[in-house]
Amino acid sequence: DVKVTQSSRYLVKRTGEKVFLECVQDMDHENMFWYRQDPGLGLRLIYFSYDVKMKEKGDIPEGYSVSREKKERFSLILESASTNQTSMYLCASKTPGQGNEQYFGPGTRLTVT
Amino acid sequence: QKEVEQDPGPLSVPEGAIVSLNCTYSNSAFQYFMWYRQYSRKGPELLMYTYSSGNKEDGRFTAQVDKSSKYISLFIRDSQPSDSATYLCAISSTGGFKTIFGAGTRLFVKA
Repeated sequence: DVKVTQSSRYLVKRTGEKVFLECVQDMDHENMFWYRQDPGLGLRLIYFSYDVKMKEKGDIPEGYSVSREKKERFSLILESASTNQTSMYLCASKTPGQGNEQYFGPGTRLTVT
Repeated sequence: QKEVEQDPGPLSVPEGAIVSLNCTYSNSAFQYFMWYRQYSRKGPELLMYTYSSGNKEDGRFTAQVDKSSKYISLFIRDSQPSDSATYLCAISSTGGFKTIFGAGTRLFVKA
């Protein structure tokens, strides 16, 4: 079974802090994604990576950056956390060319106070 | 207009009912259609996917795509309390990286 893990289930940070969210997948997937999920808005793509050291902006990249130094690990960085970044953050991975099925991690609920 | 529209519900049905969940989309370029199920405090899990138009059945679940009207459906037969979750429709283009998700419909199946 595909397994995608995220470093924290719940996280509370203060405004202005730098926040790191880690995601690891164990199925050798090339593509990895970071989404945020908010009520009524669904999942919105922040960044994705189609290979190691490669990254592309999604629909809402402002205030975020990413890092992919190893194939299995994709990190999301909030440079200076703000209250409007309070959300559920979901990581996903997939293999190219297989019907675009994405496999999700359990999510990190981040609260910025 | 959102690229994918989905009624957020909540939808409440008695155990054993047939459930119909629906989405509409606006861009005819999309070829892959997916349904994800998300339990409370968990990440979404892929339930079914179909390519282009037609029906696909898997146990109690049937996914249906009508590309002419840009309408996708998920039917659940003999619904169970364990089906209580949020159901997300998703669409994607062939080989594309981008998947567009609906906002999700929250389903409650009462025992």
